[in-house]
Amino acid sequence: EAGVAQSPRYKIIEKRQSVAFWCNPISGHATLYWYQQILGQGPKLLIQFQNNGVVDDSQLPKDRFSAERLKGVDSTLKIQPAKLEDSAVYLCASSPGQGKNSPLHFGNGTRLTVT
Amino acid sequence: GENVEQHPSTLSVQEGDSAVIKCTYSDSASNYFPWYKQELGKGPQLIIDIRSNVGEKKDQRIAVTLNKTAKHFSLHITETQPEDSAVYFCAASTGSARQLTFGSGTQLTVLP
Repeated sequence: EAGVAQSPRYKIIEKRQSVAFWCNPISGHATLYWYQQILGQGPKLLIQFQNNGVVDDSQLPKDRFSAERLKGVDSTLKIQPAKLEDSAVYLCASSPGQGKNSPLHFGNGTRLTVT
Repeated sequence: GENVEQHPSTLSVQEGDSAVIKCTYSDSASNYFPWYKQELGKGPQLIIDIRSNVGEKKDQRIAVTLNKTAKHFSLHITETQPEDSAVYFCAASTGSARQLTFGSGTQLTVLP
């Protein structure tokens, strides 16, 4: 099966600019996650979707970050305006559902550099 | 919330030797413990996972043990090979939502 697709692979922007990341999960996977991975750290959950509804966005900095999953398939994550501390790899993951037999499958991420 | 600590941060072993990475978690309600391998420029890849009703699980050269009482779990890699070199992350989650809390990672280097 095709894996989780993310684009772009790399993005360099100046602080206060906006940026958007795109994710296409594995076909049929109902649950989609966005994680932020700062260099040298483990991934940190930003937001979880179940189909097109938000399950948990408690760790999403909502003053500058937004995410949507229209039609319950693809998802976009946006940052506006970006700060230097947003430099990180943004990982998208998907799983078949919320059950206990639903491991997460990650994409290769988008590396964001904010200058 | 959940807190996962991982040790060591770096580990070098000779090819053929064993490697052990340890993690502790804080939330006694956590019931799912996956391990991920992340190679440079790629996303984390699940290599093995264990649920709280099992004490040990093995898959070829990889094994994971879980001690619920002490709230720690470990990854064991035997007969290491150069291609095992990567960053390994442990994680924990509660319930069925699969909201993983990750450890800080271990850079494993297998020396030929």
